[in-house]
Amino acid sequence: ETGVTQSPTHLIKTRGQQVTLRCSSQSGHNTVSWYQQALGQGPQFIFQYYREEENGRGNFPPRFSGLQFPNYSSELNVNALELDDSALYLCASSFSVSANEQFFGPGTRLTVL
Amino acid sequence: EDKVVQSPLSLVVHEGDTVTLNCSYEVTNFRSLLWYKQEKKAPTFLFMLTSSGIEKKSGRLSSILDKKELFSILNITATQTGDSAIYLCAVYYGGSQGNLIFGKGTKLSVKP
Repeated sequence: ETGVTQSPTHLIKTRGQQVTLRCSSQSGHNTVSWYQQALGQGPQFIFQYYREEENGRGNFPPRFSGLQFPNYSSELNVNALELDDSALYLCASSFSVSANEQFFGPGTRLTVL
Repeated sequence: EDKVVQSPLSLVVHEGDTVTLNCSYEVTNFRSLLWYKQEKKAPTFLFMLTSSGIEKKSGRLSSILDKKELFSILNITATQTGDSAIYLCAVYYGGSQGNLIFGKGTKLSVKP
């Protein structure tokens, strides 16, 4: 059974640029959630994807957007990067949209200069 | 506003000590409470609690939920240096659009 994978591991961008982060869900899981974890903070919910549609969103601006593909993998896109976007971005998958337990990937460390 | 509060935020103990980590919550439409261990990046699942008063155990770790007083504790007995990590408490809330709200975590350092 393959766990949740994310790419890239690390990324350095400058303010105003755009970034795409990728996530492959665990085998058999159809729901993907994205979280932002700033230094010293707990993860904050960005949004969730189920059946290729956004199924809930946290308090993040529209420049944070996502996609889910038919194989349940997902992308997180962030436009017009700001310094405060520097964080660890975590992807989590679950076997259904109503499942409480989520399994996390190793994350992508994004640094915005 | 929904919130999850963990205490203490950091803790330093010596090997062999017993520690208790606290998590209180104020969340509408509560469904379950989860504990995760985060060592470097990926939080790894420890426990999920849905019912009050039923202790869950895994080796030296145990956890219990009190839904009346809205808190949970995570106990670690006979701590080892490998227990050094950030312990995250999260509450799963909501219906079909439910998701996790996390506390800030407790950073545990176990010294030899």
